[in-house]
Amino acid sequence: AQKITQTQPGMFVQEKEAVTLDCTYDTSDQSYGLFWYKQPSSGEMIFLIYQGSYDEQNATEGRYSLNFQKARKSANLVISASQLGDSAMYFCAMKGSARQLTFGSGTQLTVLP
Amino acid sequence: DTGVSQDPRHKITKRGQNVTFRCDPISEHNRLYWYRQTLGQGPEFLTYFQNEAQLEKSRLLSDRFSAERPKGSFSTLEIQRTEQGDSAMYLCASQRRDSPYEQYFGPGTRLTVT
Repeated sequence: AQKITQTQPGMFVQEKEAVTLDCTYDTSDQSYGLFWYKQPSSGEMIFLIYQGSYDEQNATEGRYSLNFQKARKSANLVISASQLGDSAMYFCAMKGSARQLTFGSGTQLTVLP
Repeated sequence: DTGVSQDPRHKITKRGQNVTFRCDPISEHNRLYWYRQTLGQGPEFLTYFQNEAQLEKSRLLSDRFSAERPKGSFSTLEIQRTEQGDSAMYLCASQRRDSPYEQYFGPGTRLTVT
């Protein structure tokens, strides 16, 4: 079984500051992928970033980076230079031997002007 | 690439009625997923198609739920005899077979059962 834990129900960050959203996972699979999705109030899930379990380097996509610590089973999302448009719900997810994604409960990020 | 579309975007129905949702995946995406998301939670997997074959179903998919993908293109999700507990956002996602990971989500159908 796979499990994703996001312990921060809500986070606040000042515009232009960096913020880290926490994610820990549990799986017995040796090969797996970790994902972050953004869900604005409109409801659509927007893919942000992916990290494979065998990737040696942390993934980066523009202002998003994934701080992958395999031994600690953590995959934190770092958003640099926050913008007002970053205010949304953020979900960490993983996929192992099963084809479907397993999601965490999410973190509501609010960017303050 | 027009993205994944879902119809309707919102549905209000009375308990006991049947409802049907439609998902149109990105063209050439042969994998299609349905998820359900209740308020304050992350999406939960319901079922998965590869082309027209339904390869996996979650325990969440009770016998009142049925999904089809008749020609390997669009998919429908039907809920019979709706209950208030069925109120949720129903999300569809599609994926290319040769893509190792990325699932593209549609805007969802929000169901309210009164």
